Amino acid sequence: DAGITQSPRHKVTETGTPVTLRCHQTENHRYMYWYRQDPGHGLRLIHYSYGVKDTDKGEVSDGYSVSRSKTEDFLLTLESATSSQTSVYFCAISEEGTFYHEQYFGPGTRLTVT
Amino acid sequence: AQTVTQSQPEMSVQEAETVTLSCTYDTSESNYYLFWYKQPPSRQMILVIRQEAYKQQNATENRFSVNFQKAAKSFSLKISDSQLGDTAMYFCASPDYNQGGKLIFGQGTELSVKP
Repeated sequence: DAGITQSPRHKVTETGTPVTLRCHQTENHRYMYWYRQDPGHGLRLIHYSYGVKDTDKGEVSDGYSVSRSKTEDFLLTLESATSSQTSVYFCAISEEGTFYHEQYFGPGTRLTVT
Repeated sequence: AQTVTQSQPEMSVQEAETVTLSCTYDTSESNYYLFWYKQPPSRQMILVIRQEAYKQQNATENRFSVNFQKAAKSFSLKISDSQLGDTAMYFCASPDYNQGGKLIFGQGTELSVKP
């Protein structure tokens, strides 16, 4: 199994508070991704990174920011949490240099915003 | 825009029987990969099988195989000798190479294997 961990695994927070989710990999892969999974929508990309300090937006990036200061860590920050951000968040990684971008996923973080 | 569609929200199969999950996609790429992921109740996303579009031979991984019809843009997953542990949500996915290889997922098919 690919070495990907996410922390925390569960979090309950209040509307308006900032929240940071962490993804850590031990595979030295170049690409890292944050997705959210909601009923009826499948998984949707929030942001991704193609290297240290190199990030780009996905289709549902409003209200989220990311940072990658080291190859192994990719942080997702909800600047001011809202109830619509209640979701399950997945981090994924993929290998550099491969055409197919096969992705390996972390265990997920369940976030509840009250 | 790249799309992936799974038209079967739920399916069920008896243990030891065979079931086929459907997926259609649309892409402008000339070469690409397609994937099936499994998500059991534990929520972990697990890669089941991959198919390269240039390869005419359908991919096989133990009891899992695909029927890849490139002209029809169809990519179905066949599970043979179904086991109770195959109960899960199954997602078809295709990378968007213009956006860092992000995966475009279908809506998923919830498969129940009954004893």
